[in-house]
Amino acid sequence: AVRMAQSPSSVSASIGDRVTITCRASQGIKSYLAWYQHKPGKAPELLIYAASTLQTGVPARFSGSASGTSFTLTISGLQSEDFATYYCQQYYSYPLTFGGGTKVEI
Amino acid sequence: EVQLLESGGGLVQPGGPLRLSCAASGFSFSRFPMSWVRQTPGKEMEWVATISGSGESPYYADSVKGRFTISRDNSKNTLYLQMNSLRGEDTAVYYCAKSAYGGIIEYFQDWGQGTLIIVSS
Repeated sequence: AVRMAQSPSSVSASIGDRVTITCRASQGIKSYLAWYQHKPGKAPELLIYAASTLQTGVPARFSGSASGTSFTLTISGLQSEDFATYYCQQYYSYPLTFGGGTKVEI
Repeated sequence: EVQLLESGGGLVQPGGPLRLSCAASGFSFSRFPMSWVRQTPGKEMEWVATISGSGESPYYADSVKGRFTISRDNSKNTLYLQMNSLRGEDTAVYYCAKSAYGGIIEYFQDWGQGTLIIVSS
């Protein structure tokens, strides 16, 4: 199975900050990487797919990039509604696997 | 608007069965693979199972293979997860998720709000 090592597990940030979250895959997954935002009690929301393609309706302050087996989610100019937990997920092969999550908090 | 509504969660004893349902609306249900994903009490996300639009070709996580069965009724726009021989480590919030396109291995474009299952005596 492809293991997704996500870091950091939590980050403290302020409104307006730039936040970077990283996922490293244990093997090559090309660009088959998605990012989700999850708030307590709510349905997770897709932010980015294919490593860097923004899902329709997602604010442009969210961006994704890839370099080899390392993938990055960047939030440029953190807003109050961005405080949540973020997960990466590979869909290159079964079993589908997620990173451990990053909680973005004040 | 895509809507996915899970039901069937609750408290169940170890070794017991439980069936989850996910009522789907707002899209052509039979065209899309559907999945179950769970979030553990430790907040880890774990993929559980995926089924193709036609109901064939199910895929399972090793942790549930042989105990859980994913199925769908396209005439009712409903996805199911039959869970048998439940264990404490199956305690989680279970989410129904819709694939983005028609491929059998994809990311999840839409999710339900989840249903909680607690396995405990």
